[in-house]
Amino acid sequence: AQSVTQLDSHVSVSEGTPVLLRCNYSSSYSPSLFWYVQHPNKGLQLLLKYTSAATLVKGINGFEAEFKKSETSFHLTKPSAHMSDAAEYFCVVIPYSSASKIIFGSGTRLSIRP
Amino acid sequence: EPEVTQTPSHQVTQMGQEVILRCVPISNHLYFYWYRQILGQKVEFLVSFYNNEISEKSEIFDDQFSVERPDGSNFTLKIRSTKLEDSAMYFCASTAESGGVETQYFGPGTRLLVL
Repeated sequence: AQSVTQLDSHVSVSEGTPVLLRCNYSSSYSPSLFWYVQHPNKGLQLLLKYTSAATLVKGINGFEAEFKKSETSFHLTKPSAHMSDAAEYFCVVIPYSSASKIIFGSGTRLSIRP
Repeated sequence: EPEVTQTPSHQVTQMGQEVILRCVPISNHLYFYWYRQILGQKVEFLVSFYNNEISEKSEIFDDQFSVERPDGSNFTLKIRSTKLEDSAMYFCASTAESGGVETQYFGPGTRLLVL
């Protein structure tokens, strides 16, 4: 069965310090992996996606994620946090050729301290 | 940049009433989806729609739910007789193609509160 686990429900970092949001997945196939961000009262915005090309994926707003098959991980990172990064982040798995079976992680709330 | 839009942004209704949630997908997209997110819980898939018919639906999508594409631009989700447990954020999404690699573009959501 496919699943996705976001290991931290809440992460708090100081502005200017690195961000690490962890995601592990379980999939019988080669999945597509995504990170979405949700700001308060806003919709889900795509940050980046992995689709079996380069394992290091660069997204918007300075975020990037590395696909590690051996660890079944797709952690999201950013070198330097900005106050505007405060939001809920969702790791999402789409099993191969089944976009309608999209699986969302439970989300990680990122807080940024001044 | 094209985006998915949803109306209304918020809706409050009485239990047992019918609600219609509206979505305008990105214009050249062909596949449409509805999801819901109950407060504090994960986003859940409800239904996918292509070529004027339902492609897949989850166990949540029972007989009280229906979807329709009444014209060339709108995609609606109808809940016939709302229950308290239908209170959630409902997201619409669209893609240009189906398949595992296609990015889904989400609307801002409609927050439904059933009293």
